[in-house]
Amino acid sequence: GENVEQHPSTLSVQEGDSAVIKCTYSDSASNYFPWYKQELGKGPQLIIDIRSNVGEKKDQRIAVTLNKTAKHFSLHITETQPEDSAVYFCAANSGAGSYQLTFGKGTKLSVIP
Amino acid sequence: SAVISQKPSRDICQRGTSLTIQCQVDSQVTMMFWYRQQPGQSLTLIATANQGSEATYESGFVIDKFPISRPNLTFSTLTVSNMSPEDSSIYLCSASGPNTEAFFGQGTRLTVV
Repeated sequence: GENVEQHPSTLSVQEGDSAVIKCTYSDSASNYFPWYKQELGKGPQLIIDIRSNVGEKKDQRIAVTLNKTAKHFSLHITETQPEDSAVYFCAANSGAGSYQLTFGKGTKLSVIP
Repeated sequence: SAVISQKPSRDICQRGTSLTIQCQVDSQVTMMFWYRQQPGQSLTLIATANQGSEATYESGFVIDKFPISRPNLTFSTLTVSNMSPEDSSIYLCSASGPNTEAFFGQGTRLTVV
């Protein structure tokens, strides 16, 4: 089955700096890669996703890149703000067109004012 | 995006009892899933809730312990049966639309005493 590795497990940045979280996946048939933000006491919130037919996607301060050959994808947050502090999870679907997701272990991001 | 209402949001239960968690989606969705999230951990898929038929369980999870219903396209329940303290966790409902995006409810924080 699919295996998703996520690094780092914790990340501290100064407000205004950039943050990068990286994930690798094992199943070359995976074609959908979402990122979730989970704040304390809440469910995961979908913040951005990318499909295998594109290499990069941006939404304001958030961007995701995908390297299909290397089977890795990354989340980039620019101009970080204290409200970006949360746990971020990457995920990959279990094969082309599958709705089932496998999640990374999460990254706890702390933005220091 | 779909809005998912999950209840109860939290509960404290006696060991040996059962708790049923409800999940209601505000629009018709293709797939519904149930996850478990231990404190500070990632999400583990319990099962896929199939409309009108038995749920599909992941390795390590069985129907007798986690019976699931999905009587229609927008509603599902998960029961945690014969609970023990090891069942203390956050239980999350997820729903996916036709474009594969998965959304989550706020979760049910269960404590078994």
